[in-house]
Amino acid sequence: DAGVIQSPRHEVTEMGQEVTLRCKPISGHNSLFWYRQTMMRGLELLIYFNNNVPIDDSGMPEDRFSAKMPNASFSTLKIQPSEPRDSAVYFCASSFLARGRANYGYTFGSGTRLTVV
Amino acid sequence: AQSVTQLGSHVSVSEGALVLLRCNYSSSVPPYLFWYVQYPNQGLQLLLKYTTGATLVKGINGFEAEFKKSETSFHLTKPSAHMSDAAEYFCAVSDPGTGRRALTFGSGTRLQVQP
Repeated sequence: DAGVIQSPRHEVTEMGQEVTLRCKPISGHNSLFWYRQTMMRGLELLIYFNNNVPIDDSGMPEDRFSAKMPNASFSTLKIQPSEPRDSAVYFCASSFLARGRANYGYTFGSGTRLTVV
Repeated sequence: AQSVTQLGSHVSVSEGALVLLRCNYSSSVPPYLFWYVQYPNQGLQLLLKYTTGATLVKGINGFEAEFKKSETSFHLTKPSAHMSDAAEYFCAVSDPGTGRRALTFGSGTRLQVQP
């Protein structure tokens, strides 16, 4: 099992540019979560998907952020246009959520460190 | 709504000393509880979790935690710290129902281990 795979590991971009972060969840997991980690705000849930459907996107900061999960093995988080305040580490995590059951914990990817200059 | 409070953003111990990292939760029902560890430039790794059953749970690397409902706590302990334990530790909760199925994380506690 290769775990949750995120790419790129590091991204440096100029303000105003589009940024796309990618995530491949663990095979067989049906739920995928995007988090953002900053010193000031800690770990914030941005959005999560269950069976490729967005369930809770209340954490998405604003319209500049969008996330998709076109199939069970791939998700993207896009920021357009990017701003310096978007600089953070973005984590993807996956888990298997059984119907009617709670979350027994995730497996996290290694994260993407985004720097917007 | 659930919330998690980790007391102490930084904890420093000597190698061989007891490690105690504190976590208190706020939830209308007893939640599922987790501790994760994050080493520098890495993702979060599950240390241990409590869902139901025995309230003292053992995890990897010699860590354990005890769920105390009366105190709404889930403190993480290790009898003897090792230099390799230096990392950031996060407590998290999950609603045992089907409401919010994403984990809510505390703000983290950075553990330093002095030689």
